[in-house]
Amino acid sequence: GAVVSQHPSRVICKSGTSVKIECRSLDFQATTMFWYRQFPKQSLMLMATSNEGSKATYEQGVEKDKFLINHASLTLSTLTVTSAHPEDSSFYICSARGLAGAGDEQFFGPGTRLTVL
Amino acid sequence: AQSVAQPEDQVNVAEGNPLTVKCTYSVSGNPYLFWYVQYPNRGLQFLLKYITGDNLVKGSYGFEAEFNKSQTSFHLKKPSALVSDSALYFCAGGNFNKFYFGSGTKLNVKP
Repeated sequence: GAVVSQHPSRVICKSGTSVKIECRSLDFQATTMFWYRQFPKQSLMLMATSNEGSKATYEQGVEKDKFLINHASLTLSTLTVTSAHPEDSSFYICSARGLAGAGDEQFFGPGTRLTVL
Repeated sequence: AQSVAQPEDQVNVAEGNPLTVKCTYSVSGNPYLFWYVQYPNRGLQFLLKYITGDNLVKGSYGFEAEFNKSQTSFHLKKPSALVSDSALYFCAGGNFNKFYFGSGTKLNVKP
């Protein structure tokens, strides 16, 4: 089956620093990748959708200058949390989807736990 | 507004008994509907999906779900629960471009 990895799985950083999270589709080409944020005991909130080679589409209320998303290849998308603050601490999950007609479900990565001190 | 609702925060069931986790949706057009399971500090694992076709969908680990258009529901079911089924379950619905997730239902299966 389709496998999506995320790196790192866990990161602790100081307030004001930037953190990059990678999302990779290991055995398929992901034309679209999604970034979600999950607070404790809550559901997943879609942050942005990125298509390979184009700018990401951000959901309402998500600061595009704070959460930089790059989808430079069909197997890699990155989320950079710039100038992180404690309120950015959360579980970040990416998902990837292949070409239309190749499967409609999103395949999820294992998530990245970000803690900002 | 489009949305997916899971009315139960928690479902408790004894091992060996049937289980049902409820989901209703409000999605325009023909919905894509999914069930995912999440274990602690892990990502989501795909269980099953409905796009078109038979209303009864069979998925992983013995789970199944029934698409009911008139009731706009997509309840997850399993004939005989296992303790290892205890986890957080998410229903998702939408179209090809965007999913809406329910709030999640914690399933507790007791021995």
